[in-house]
Amino acid sequence: DIVMTQTPLSSPVTLGQPASISCRSSQSLVHSDGNTYLSWLQQRPGQPPRLLIYKISNRFSGVPDRFSGSGAGTDFTLKISRVEAEDVGVYYCMQATQFPLTFGQGTKVEIK
Amino acid sequence: QITLKESGPTLVKPTQTLTLTCTFSGFSLSTSGVGVGWIRQPPGKALEWLALIYWDDDKRYSPSLKSRLTITKDTSKNQVVLTMTNMDPVDTATYYCAQLGIAAAGTFDPWGQGTLVTVSS
Repeated sequence: DIVMTQTPLSSPVTLGQPASISCRSSQSLVHSDGNTYLSWLQQRPGQPPRLLIYKISNRFSGVPDRFSGSGAGTDFTLKISRVEAEDVGVYYCMQATQFPLTFGQGTKVEIK
Repeated sequence: QITLKESGPTLVKPTQTLTLTCTFSGFSLSTSGVGVGWIRQPPGKALEWLALIYWDDDKRYSPSLKSRLTITKDTSKNQVVLTMTNMDPVDTATYYCAQLGIAAAGTFDPWGQGTLVTVSS
């Protein structure tokens, strides 16, 4: 199984300041079709997960442009350029390059 | 608009079999490339993928739970059913179904609201 490791597990951030979450996979996430199936999901309190970013850096429909994804191979990053109150929640990276599909442990973003 | 909704018992006893139904709208599971998956989340813990079924009836399971899981689809009813045998209190979780692969390749969106299943005698 591909293990997804997120850091930090908790990120207290001041409103308006940036936040960054790292996700490292135990194997390369480059698929044989040339794509890298690494996505980021946001889970607000009491809500189901919501897709933010897919294939490393593609922002999903309706996602604010303060969210961006980057990386390659085994190292990936989600950045929030200026944290807003509605960004509070837990963020998960997920890989779909290889079965079984796996998620990171989650990173809790909270306001200082 | 694509929606998914999970349904099933909220309480099951240890050793019983859990049957969950995902009823969806806004897409067809006979469309090439489409899949529906099940993911669970124990209270306060991370997401765990369980199973996935594709439009062509290809089925994939989490290796750690494979012996206990069965996923099926009824295209005419727009439903996907997950059964999990021999339930244990550690299986207490919110169970989600989600669509794979139309608007965003290689990931799940949208998700259902989830259904909390408690395993207790």
